[in-house]
Amino acid sequence: KNEVEQSPQNLTAQEGEFITINCSYSVGISALHWLQQHPGGGIVSLFMLSSGKKKHGRLIATINIQEKHSSLHITASHPRDSAVYICAVLGSNFGNEKLTFGTGTRLTIIP
Amino acid sequence: DGGITQSPKYLFRKEGQNVTLSCEQNLNHDAMYWYRQDPGQGLRLIYYSQIVNDFQKGDIAEGYSVSREKKESFPLTVTSAQKNPTAFYLCASRRGADTEAFFGQGTRLTVV
Repeated sequence: KNEVEQSPQNLTAQEGEFITINCSYSVGISALHWLQQHPGGGIVSLFMLSSGKKKHGRLIATINIQEKHSSLHITASHPRDSAVYICAVLGSNFGNEKLTFGTGTRLTIIP
Repeated sequence: DGGITQSPKYLFRKEGQNVTLSCEQNLNHDAMYWYRQDPGQGLRLIYYSQIVNDFQKGDIAEGYSVSREKKESFPLTVTSAQKNPTAFYLCASRRGADTEAFFGQGTRLTVV
């Protein structure tokens, strides 16, 4: 079983729909990242959070440390949101510098 | 503008040849990382460096080598010993532990 699991693997929605992507992890973490990868391959960091909730524009990320679960929400989705969204966790072990990545959720927003 | 630059974006090499991928950052970050991405898999850590002149193996270091002679630069060499080198390679950097990671645009390496 992977240490970081994302669901769904693929998601297709109509423009304007509210989108939720989920991430569950099985290790103790000090922080969780949500990343966006566009077709060209470059990755952009959307959020880094260790508790609660963060919001940036139409994007909202939440994390529940007790349940080892995080969600990424997109409100009023737009075709330009089409990308692969990746969850990554930073282990909480002392000296652990490694990010562990999920396999990503491919989001397609249809006009 | 600060950021991470990877070059080239696409690279083709013949089997048996070593090839070096460039990663440069002007963010003054201490830590730098190399990841490999294969279809259907999460990014996997190849090597990382937390400080100049020091680096550690990641989860899939076999067949790769790195150097960290300057804070800004962390080149990755894919050697002929790497059995399946064709992949997408991403470089990242962070200021330190528990800080946000910044990624480059990646290099797609194809070995023929």
